[in-house]
Amino acid sequence: NAGVTQTPKFQVLKTGQSMTLQCAQDMNHNSMYWYRQDPGMGLRLIYYSASEGTTDKGEVPNGYNVSRLNKREFSLRLESAAPSQTSVYFCASSEGQDGQPQHFGDGTRLSIL
Amino acid sequence: LAKTTQPISMDSYEGQEVNITCSHNNIATNDYITWYQQFPSQGPRFIIQGYKTKVTNEVASLFIPADRKSSTLSLPRVSLSDTAVYYCLVGRRGGGNKLTFGTGTQLKVEL
Repeated sequence: NAGVTQTPKFQVLKTGQSMTLQCAQDMNHNSMYWYRQDPGMGLRLIYYSASEGTTDKGEVPNGYNVSRLNKREFSLRLESAAPSQTSVYFCASSEGQDGQPQHFGDGTRLSIL
Repeated sequence: LAKTTQPISMDSYEGQEVNITCSHNNIATNDYITWYQQFPSQGPRFIIQGYKTKVTNEVASLFIPADRKSSTLSLPRVSLSDTAVYYCLVGRRGGGNKLTFGTGTQLKVEL
């Protein structure tokens, strides 16, 4: 049972490039989340999806777009990467729609030069 | 949006009980309290969740006083492997886009 799987694990981009971070969960969970974590800081919510086809902005949504095309997958897209988006990105899921994540992936470490 | 405050760091020795407190003075009636553990280079791991009084599972206990303005995560008999960052998260059921983690407490366990 893989839980929450994120790809890629590492990525280096140049400023202005675009990229999509992929996340998939195999637990049939309803809710999925994208967080970013900067050095020495806690996790900040970028976007949240309570169910397939629905998304809501979190604390720091600017510069990102998300897509929840099915129950299993929730992708995060950077349309024009900026150095300020250098961070570790975590995807998470939860069974209910209570908004408190239960399972996290191991993260995507993204560097933007 | 319930803001949380935790100590930045704590030190302990193997075999001791560790209590980490989280303050959340503006907790709302429908808010729940959840604690997570995070190791370096890994995503956070759910530890325990509660609404009031005391909750216990196989790894920890969560104590919540009557006014619910704080909560305490209790780790019995810690070991070196409990060295990690611990986060509390406060938010209401259904408020998925309104929940934000605090900066966490770095627990260091030594021999």
